[in-house]
Amino acid sequence: EADIYQTPRYLVIGTGKKITLECSQTMGHDKMYWYQQDPGMELHLIHYSYGVNSTEKGDLSSESTVSRIRTEHFPLTLESARPSHTSQYLCASSDKSLQETQYFGPGTRLLVL
Amino acid sequence: KNQVEQSPQSLIILEGKNCTLQCNYTVSPFSNLRWYKQDTGRGPVSLTIMTFSENTKSNGRYTATLDADTKQSSLHITASQLSDSASYICVVSDRGSTLGRLYFGRGTQLTVWP
Repeated sequence: EADIYQTPRYLVIGTGKKITLECSQTMGHDKMYWYQQDPGMELHLIHYSYGVNSTEKGDLSSESTVSRIRTEHFPLTLESARPSHTSQYLCASSDKSLQETQYFGPGTRLLVL
Repeated sequence: KNQVEQSPQSLIILEGKNCTLQCNYTVSPFSNLRWYKQDTGRGPVSLTIMTFSENTKSNGRYTATLDADTKQSSLHITASQLSDSASYICVVSDRGSTLGRLYFGRGTQLTVWP
């Protein structure tokens, strides 16, 4: 099992609240990713990072922001949560092999009331 | 448009039986194809990865095939177990950018009954 962790695993929060989803990995991977996944749907890339101080927006527009101050840490922040943000958020990191296999965390299930 | 289509959307089989899941893609240029297993409430875990020159790869009871000409892949599960119940996701990488963009299918939800 991959050494990538996400907290909290489940979060129920009211509209307008600021939240931060934590993601950390102990594998020393430079590349990290955030995906959003709704039930029965494919994963959508919302943010990625090539390394420290590098962050990029993914394919799916998201009101969230990310930071990468340390290699092992890639938190995602929503300044003002809305019901439309209700979803599962998956963090991943990839190694430097030719295939760059992505290792996923267990995910955070977010419910915004 | 680069897409990954999986079928069936869901599948129920009895424990001990075999099954085959399908993946068709239109991603180009093609780099590699992965099959992931995602248990309920968990993140996906890689099962197999195949590049253009590989047409079959096994991982225990899981055997993946790839036909790069027809852009089709299959995942065959032998002697299914209750723990095989999960969503199986086909992911194709295009290497069209420095990121090596991944295209995800919606997955096949497999349920194994005792």
